[in-house]
Amino acid sequence: DTAVSQTPKYLVTQMGNDKSIKCEQNLGHDTMYWYKQDSKKFLKIMFSYNNKELIINETVPNRFSPKSPDKAHLNLHINSLELGDSAVYFCASSQDRVVQPQHFGDGTRLSIL
Amino acid sequence: QKEVEQDPGPLSVPEGAIVSLNCTYSNSAFQYFMWYRQYSRKGPELLMYTYSSGNKEDGRFTAQVDKSSKYISLFIRDSQPSDSATYLCAMSENDYKLSFGAGTTVTVRA
Repeated sequence: DTAVSQTPKYLVTQMGNDKSIKCEQNLGHDTMYWYKQDSKKFLKIMFSYNNKELIINETVPNRFSPKSPDKAHLNLHINSLELGDSAVYFCASSQDRVVQPQHFGDGTRLSIL
Repeated sequence: QKEVEQDPGPLSVPEGAIVSLNCTYSNSAFQYFMWYRQYSRKGPELLMYTYSSGNKEDGRFTAQVDKSSKYISLFIRDSQPSDSATYLCAMSENDYKLSFGAGTTVTVRA
């Protein structure tokens, strides 16, 4: 039974398109995150929600918009995709504050043609 | 300069060897230190978690934190081929934001 699941696992699309990635956690956690991992494996926080409230919003283009319909779900919508958006996007969750372990999904591999 | 520096390797060792990994950081406010392991095409999984300075041991894994030197280490004893992965250090002040190192790719040769 997967704890943090992301869909889709792979996403190949054209530059300029709009796409969404979905994330769900069944751990009962209060906090969820989106990370971007580039080709050099560097993992960088993008957004974090705690009980549906945005608490971290790093320097990310406005084309990226997170949405949390409830505390078990955190989706990421990306408008006008660019070549530089190609990366692996990870969703994660934790019980509350970061001192609790963050549980990661297996990532969504986004490739922009 | 990145907030957290980690040598990306790659690091290749024979089975049974001790693997030594480390990270340095610049933010003296970091208090929470973690090591994550990431297998190919998988998400990171938490290996070790340490608060402030000191050592922590869990089976074959030992984490060390030296806040005075802004330096953390992870040692893997009796390494196995199944330990082949990328190891990421991560740290935090006291909020929701984790700052990660770039990860070190380790291969344990059978």
